Amino acid sequence: GESVGLHLPTLSVQEGDNSIINCAYSNSASDYFIWYKQESGKGPQFIIDIRSNMDKRQGQRVTVLLNKTVKHLSLQIAATQPGDSAVYFCAERGNSWDQGGKLIFGQGTELSVKP
Amino acid sequence: DAGVIQSPRHEVTEMGQEVTLRCKPISGHDYLFWYRQTMMRGLELLIYFNNNVPIDDSGMPEDRFSAKMPNASFSTLKIQPSEPRDSAVYFCASSPRGTQYFGPGTRLLVL
Repeated sequence: GESVGLHLPTLSVQEGDNSIINCAYSNSASDYFIWYKQESGKGPQFIIDIRSNMDKRQGQRVTVLLNKTVKHLSLQIAATQPGDSAVYFCAERGNSWDQGGKLIFGQGTELSVKP
Repeated sequence: DAGVIQSPRHEVTEMGQEVTLRCKPISGHDYLFWYRQTMMRGLELLIYFNNNVPIDDSGMPEDRFSAKMPNASFSTLKIQPSEPRDSAVYFCASSPRGTQYFGPGTRLLVL
């Protein structure tokens, strides 16, 4: 079946280092991908998104890379800060015909930033 | 904008009782989603609406769960009767198209 999975369930980095969180997806027809950040006790918060016609998109301290050949998505966080500690989810939209339709979420990766 | 609003934020109830969770989506968003999150199963989509009409309810666990959206600014998720295995955090999210914006969630504990 279709699924979105994360390679690393936990990631620990030193403050100031760069972080890379990976995600594999299985639906080659997915046309839209999103990264969410979820802090303890809060709902998932949108970080950045990318459409399938792009391979890279940059935000403030974050970059998302999309490799459609191997169906791989990554989130890079530059100069990781303690406030970045959270669980990060990737999500894909498999039905391009329904632009507002459901997303399939990965299991999440917990990022821990050591001061 | 205040974002997606959910109430109550916490709910503790006894098995067999009816539970009603409420959601106010972001104004102008056509889509509304209900999710359940547990450690074991992660984030699960229960049901979603487009323009107040249920589009996909295949994630609703069983007949004990029901959801309504009587108008564009309000939705409810009802569990009747509740069971201990329903204990989870329930999120509502809304979307104009594509990106979904989540509420703070309702933490439900069924004893």
